[in-house]
This record gives sequence, C-alpha cells and structure tokens, in this order.
Amino acid sequence: GNSVTQMEGPVTLSEEAFLTINCTYTATGYPSLFWYVQYPGEGLQLLLKATKADDKGSNKGFEATYRKETTSFHLEKGSVQVSDSAVYFCALREGANNLFFGTGTRLTVIP
Amino acid sequence: ETGVTQSPTHLIKTRGQQVTLRCSSQSGHNTVSWYQQALGQGPQFIFQYYREEENGRGNFPPRFSGLQFPNYSSELNVNALELDDSALYLCASSTGTSNLDTQYFGPGTRLTVL
Repeated sequence: GNSVTQMEGPVTLSEEAFLTINCTYTATGYPSLFWYVQYPGEGLQLLLKATKADDKGSNKGFEATYRKETTSFHLEKGSVQVSDSAVYFCALREGANNLFFGTGTRLTVIP
Repeated sequence: ETGVTQSPTHLIKTRGQQVTLRCSSQSGHNTVSWYQQALGQGPQFIFQYYREEENGRGNFPPRFSGLQFPNYSSELNVNALELDDSALYLCASSTGTSNLDTQYFGPGTRLTVL
C-alpha cells in the first residue's frame, strides 16, 4: 500500500539557518510527490511538487528532488525566515488515488 | 479566479446530531475531495467526487456521505456525530482524478463535537 514517513518534529531553527525535512515513501507504482504547507489556522497550500523520478520541485526558495532509488523527497531551504514558520506535510498520489499525507513537521524559526 | 471556499468556518455540535459542510470548487475544476484532519495529524482521505459521482472512498463509515452538484460544488454530511469526529475538514478541488492533477485546498471547516 501507499504510505509516507516524515521526519518527526518539532524543528526549531534560527533565521537564515539551513532547513532539511526528511520524507520517505512507499508506493506500488510511480506516484507524484508533493509538499504542502499549513500556516496557523489555515488550510493546506501547495508548496511544490514533482511528478517523476529525478524531477526537482521548487518554490519560494524551497526545493525537493524526487529520488526513486531511495524513495525519498526531502524538503530543503538554504536560508529560512521567520515567515516560514508553519507545519509542512509531505504527500504522495498514485494513479487515480487520493493524496496520502505524512503526519506533518512543525517548523519554528526564531529571529 | 476564485480559489476553493468552504463554509462554515467553525461549527459546534453535540453528539448524535447531524452536520452539513459545504465546498465551492475552484473555477474549471470538476473533482472535489474531502479530508479529515485530526489535531496534530495529517489529513485523511474521506471520499472524492468526479462529475457528480463518488469516485473513491477512504476508511470512513457510511454515516459520512456526500454530494456533488452540477456546478461541481460539494457537500459533506456526517450523521450521528461522535466526539472523535471533532477535526478540521478540508475540501480540495482539481481538474481531474489522475496523479498529475494537483489538488488545491480550501481553508477548512473546524468542527467541534461536544
């Protein structure tokens, strides 16, 4: 079956620090992979996506590369800002199936 | 172009009651999916509607039901509410049902069952 395993949080970083949030997945075929972000009190916003192996998704300084050999889609950002504080969800979608989400990683960036 | 909207924003009900949540899909989108997000957890898939027909269902009991209308807006109905139904209910719309179709989420309805 499909599943997503995400790095446990919470993560606390100082402004301008480097961010990595690990995500690995299990799927029977060739899923599309996503990172969604949820700001306090809000719904989910699509951050970036990749639809095939070796694709790199990027947006707002965040990036993630679809690694089929390691079944991973780790989220990275070179220099985080206070405004990046949120909960980050890794997700996959295979074929006509729904999205499968990880449990989320809470990021807090302190000035 | 308006995004996905949901109503109401917040709702408080008591055990045993029934509730209806509403979702307006993004313009041009014919597919709506509903998710339940319990506190501190990732969203869990409830069901999906494609062109007014149910097109997949997660591990939720039959007291969770839905509808999709000709304008592709959708309703989620929950009967015989239980305390564990307290959660954020998210609606997402997309242009189709494949894994290449990105789902765009609304802000959610927070349901509290007392």
